[in-house]
Amino acid sequence: DAKTTQPTSMDCAEGRAANLPCNHSTISGNEYVYWYRQIHSQGPQYIIHGLKNNETNEMASLIITEDRKSSTLILPHATLRDTAVYYCIVRASGADGLTFGKGTHLIIQP
Amino acid sequence: EAGVAQSPRYKIIEKRQSVAFWCNPISGHATLYWYQQILGQGPKLLIQFQNNGVVDDSQLPKDRFSAERLKGVDSTLKIQPAKLEDSAVYLCASTGTSDNEQFFGPGTRLTVL
Repeated sequence: DAKTTQPTSMDCAEGRAANLPCNHSTISGNEYVYWYRQIHSQGPQYIIHGLKNNETNEMASLIITEDRKSSTLILPHATLRDTAVYYCIVRASGADGLTFGKGTHLIIQP
Repeated sequence: EAGVAQSPRYKIIEKRQSVAFWCNPISGHATLYWYQQILGQGPKLLIQFQNNGVVDDSQLPKDRFSAERLKGVDSTLKIQPAKLEDSAVYLCASTGTSDNEQFFGPGTRLTVL
């Protein structure tokens, strides 16, 4: 079973920052937080991952709370192409299979 | 670089028939995964290969599902016989040795009538 809790859906206006929350209160010390997204009719796509420090790449930023029980994925300037289901996943090893929950359906409004 | 290739993209069969899906991972990727995604749900891991060996098949319904990766490169997933509840998208993914990222193929959409 997935060890994360996410809202079922969220809306965001185009051009604004999209902030997607995730709760993972039972995360273990050796588990990373991963984010993937799945655009309609495509396979999931990796976005970002982190252990305890905040991370940023060309797609997004990941903010992890100090107690590591929750995190937020930030898409700084959302576009219509960011409409997708976003999955937050906790995972110990880089080679482990992924355990997906139902994710958050993010809808970017024009 | 070329991505993960899967075929066919779509397949429609009747229950009790057999079906096979093919996956060619990214060149050099040692780890290959098969996932099942039922409509409205997140993908569920079916089986994980490291080269040609099985690492995890705990969620594979072994009475009807089988998978192989004989030469440690491409892989096939077979269902025999298919049931209505097997209707889903079957996703293949691969990972390199030093990668944290799984690369997914476009999936095969199976409809069982």
